[in-house]
Amino acid sequence: DTGVSQDPRHKITKRGQNVTFRCDPISEHNRLYWYRQTLGQGPEFLTYFQNEAQLEKSRLLSDRFSAERPKGSFSTLEIQRTEQGDSAMYLCASSGHLYEQYFGPGTRLTVT
Amino acid sequence: GESVGLHLPTLSVQEGDNSIINCAYSNSASDYFIWYKQESGKGPQFIIDIRSNMDKRQGQRVTVLLNKTVKHLSLQIAATQPGDSAVYFCAENRANTGFQKLVFGTGTRLLVSP
Repeated sequence: DTGVSQDPRHKITKRGQNVTFRCDPISEHNRLYWYRQTLGQGPEFLTYFQNEAQLEKSRLLSDRFSAERPKGSFSTLEIQRTEQGDSAMYLCASSGHLYEQYFGPGTRLTVT
Repeated sequence: GESVGLHLPTLSVQEGDNSIINCAYSNSASDYFIWYKQESGKGPQFIIDIRSNMDKRQGQRVTVLLNKTVKHLSLQIAATQPGDSAVYFCAENRANTGFQKLVFGTGTRLLVSP
């Protein structure tokens, strides 16, 4: 399978803990995006990488959130001091052109 | 109708019928639009896209229509099948951002009865 992969698929954590998610984009894609999706809503843009450079961050991305793409391939999204409001599906997408993003299966985070 | 939180608009059709899912977008400067299908527990799956210089685009069993005058987008699915049951999102690309910044609509749930 050469699609976008994400790990883990599910994460349950206690409030105040740190969590890290990983995304592996389609191998030839140089653009990578993170989105957050809550139940019943469409995905909301969080951040964008072109190669290893983080070029855009949403105001949704508070200072507890950090994303990296150190070698321009896989990316990680870390949430520090998780809050119950962070519970959501975290989606990664990649693109090799200006348009047409392909999404991974997502990581569902539950903060108890 | 409008959706709030969990209350997605729902379209119920019989297998074999044609389905039309509508979407109103907000930014007249948006230059690219995509329809995604999302099944429960999965990420959005690309269906079809259209650029703002077109008003119609056809794929396999799907057609997207774009009316820029009223900022309206529709997805037509021909001969709807039970496997088409999912939530459908339209997304618009906000132009002049230097990259593809998609803004998603609320979504419509399609239920196909055999």
